[in-house]
Amino acid sequence: AQSVTQPDIHITVSEGASLELRCNYSYGATPYLFWYVQSPGQGLQLLLKYFSGDTLVQGIKGFEAEFKRSQSSFNLRKPSVHWSDAAEYFCAVGVAAGNKLTFGGGTRVLVKP
Amino acid sequence: DTAVSQTPKYLVTQMGNDKSIKCEQNLGHDTMYWYKQDSKKFLKIMFSYNNKELIINETVPNRFSPKSPDKAHLNLHINSLELGDSAVYFCASSRTEGPAGELFFGEGSRLTVL
Repeated sequence: AQSVTQPDIHITVSEGASLELRCNYSYGATPYLFWYVQSPGQGLQLLLKYFSGDTLVQGIKGFEAEFKRSQSSFNLRKPSVHWSDAAEYFCAVGVAAGNKLTFGGGTRVLVKP
Repeated sequence: DTAVSQTPKYLVTQMGNDKSIKCEQNLGHDTMYWYKQDSKKFLKIMFSYNNKELIINETVPNRFSPKSPDKAHLNLHINSLELGDSAVYFCASSRTEGPAGELFFGEGSRLTVL
């Protein structure tokens, strides 16, 4: 069975600084990988996804993620965070059938002025 | 116009009661889901329906019964509520049954069982 680990529960970053969120997955086949963001009191919104091809994926809101098969990782990055990026971020891995996503435990990002 | 809408947004009830949460999507998707998010923000799939047919049923107590009257609606009924049922329940939909479908989530229904 697939699993996803987000090692950092909380991250605090200053506005304008860079951000990197870690995600490690465990899955026997080629993974389908996703990053979602959840703002307070809201549902989840897809930031980006990786299925195949270029291992550096661009998403919305200036985010990007890099798939590294050798490290079983799919880390999310943003060069310069804005106060509006304060939210909970979830990494997820999908399987071949049934569109069943397995989510990591989430990383809460706090942005300091 | 909300793409995936859930009602109610908040639900406070006593142990032992029965309650329902409704979900509707206007995206024309054919697959809908229920996810449960616990107090530690952990998200877990409960059910998935494709064109009104159940395709994913995780290890969920049979007190939880989903119903899909048509492909735009997926309701969740919970019998004999327990304290551990307190959580945020998210409805979601996607275009296809395969892994490529992006999930569109509702805003969640926060259930508190006293």
